[in-house]
Amino acid sequence: GENVEQHPSTLSVQEGDSAVIKCTYSDSASNYFPWYKQELGKGPQLIIDIRSNVGEKKDQRIAVTLNKTAKHFSLHITETQPEDSAVYFCAASSDTGRRALTFGSGTRLQVQP
Amino acid sequence: DGGITQSPKYLFRKEGQNVTLSCEQNLNHDAMYWYRQDPGQGLRLIYYSQIVNDFQKGDIAEGYSVSREKKESFPLTVTSAQKNPTAFYLCASSVRVTLNTEAFFGQGTRLTVV
Repeated sequence: GENVEQHPSTLSVQEGDSAVIKCTYSDSASNYFPWYKQELGKGPQLIIDIRSNVGEKKDQRIAVTLNKTAKHFSLHITETQPEDSAVYFCAASSDTGRRALTFGSGTRLQVQP
Repeated sequence: DGGITQSPKYLFRKEGQNVTLSCEQNLNHDAMYWYRQDPGQGLRLIYYSQIVNDFQKGDIAEGYSVSREKKESFPLTVTSAQKNPTAFYLCASSVRVTLNTEAFFGQGTRLTVV
């Protein structure tokens, strides 16, 4: 089955700096890669997603890049703000087989004011 | 408002007891999922259902059971066979499974065995 690895597990940045979180996946059939943000005591919320036919996607301060050959994808947050502090999860799934998201282990991002 | 409702938010269970976690969605989604979250770990798939009256085991199904008698409801029972049930449980749904789309999550149920 799919295996998703995520790094780093914790990340501390100064307000205004950029943050990068990286994930690798194992199943070459995976074609959907969402990123979720989870605040304390709440359920995860989608912040951006990308499909395998696209190499990069951007939404304001957030961007995701995908390298299918290397089987890795990354989340980039620019001009970080204190409200960006949360746990971020990457995930992967395919349109065949199980068709359910497999998640990475999460990154706790802390933005220092 | 459309969304996923999990209840209760907090649940305490004595060892040896079964307990059922509720998950209801009014998004008219076909697929529903149960995940377990432990501190410092990602979300692990317990069970999922792609259509009414059908469900499949995920990665950690042992000690859990589900039913999908209605499209909008996907309850999870944590049985006494689950050795370490204390965790945060998350229910999710997505519009369909023929093409991967966003999964919407509920606010979770925190289960504690006392």
